Amino acid sequence: DAGVTQTPRHEVAEKGQTIILKCEPVSGHNDLFWYRQTKIQGLELLSYFRSKSLMEDGGAFKDRFKAEMLNSSFSTLKIQPTEPKDSAVYLCASSLGGGASEQYFGPGTRLTVL
Amino acid sequence: TQTVSQSDAHVTVFEGDSVELRCNYSYGGSIYLSWYIQHHGRGLQFLLKYYSGNPVVQGVNGFEAEFSKSDSSFHLRKASVHWSDSAVYFCAASRSNYNVLYFGSGTKLTVEP
Repeated sequence: DAGVTQTPRHEVAEKGQTIILKCEPVSGHNDLFWYRQTKIQGLELLSYFRSKSLMEDGGAFKDRFKAEMLNSSFSTLKIQPTEPKDSAVYLCASSLGGGASEQYFGPGTRLTVL
Repeated sequence: TQTVSQSDAHVTVFEGDSVELRCNYSYGGSIYLSWYIQHHGRGLQFLLKYYSGNPVVQGVNGFEAEFSKSDSSFHLRKASVHWSDSAVYFCAASRSNYNVLYFGSGTKLTVEP
């Protein structure tokens, strides 16, 4: 029973680089979420897709963060250009959709920007 | 706007003790409340949720939570903790027809042997 898969698990980037994080949701799930987790800010929503349509694009993250869902089984999060303040754990989650659906989280990608 | 607050950043108990992790929310409409657990270096895992009905809901591994509308709370409890319960616990809220979770800041539970 495959859960949410995220690659890579760790990423180190130089300031100004472009990085792409990948996520494969649970098969059959309609909703997909990208969150950023830091010790100071906690969990922040970056993007929310419902049936591949972008429902919410976290306002504070719009300028350099772009999430896409090319098909129902694959999503990417591009950060361009990266800045040191982007260092965080990026979590992808999916759910069946509808009210009160629990979210299934991937293990996260730890990004370090030098 | 919904807000979820977890007043305790850290809680330390001994194995076998009972524990209560507190969560308060602020929202005027229909709301779903849930708890998630995050072990070190891993993603979050769902524990339990409440929307309506019996205010006490049971979750995995002996956890339960009680909803109180009058207190705007959804506290998580366990009668007897095990060392493996050491983790960070997040309370979350979402609107009834919109699946985005709004998380509290988390409570780190440490269970001492």
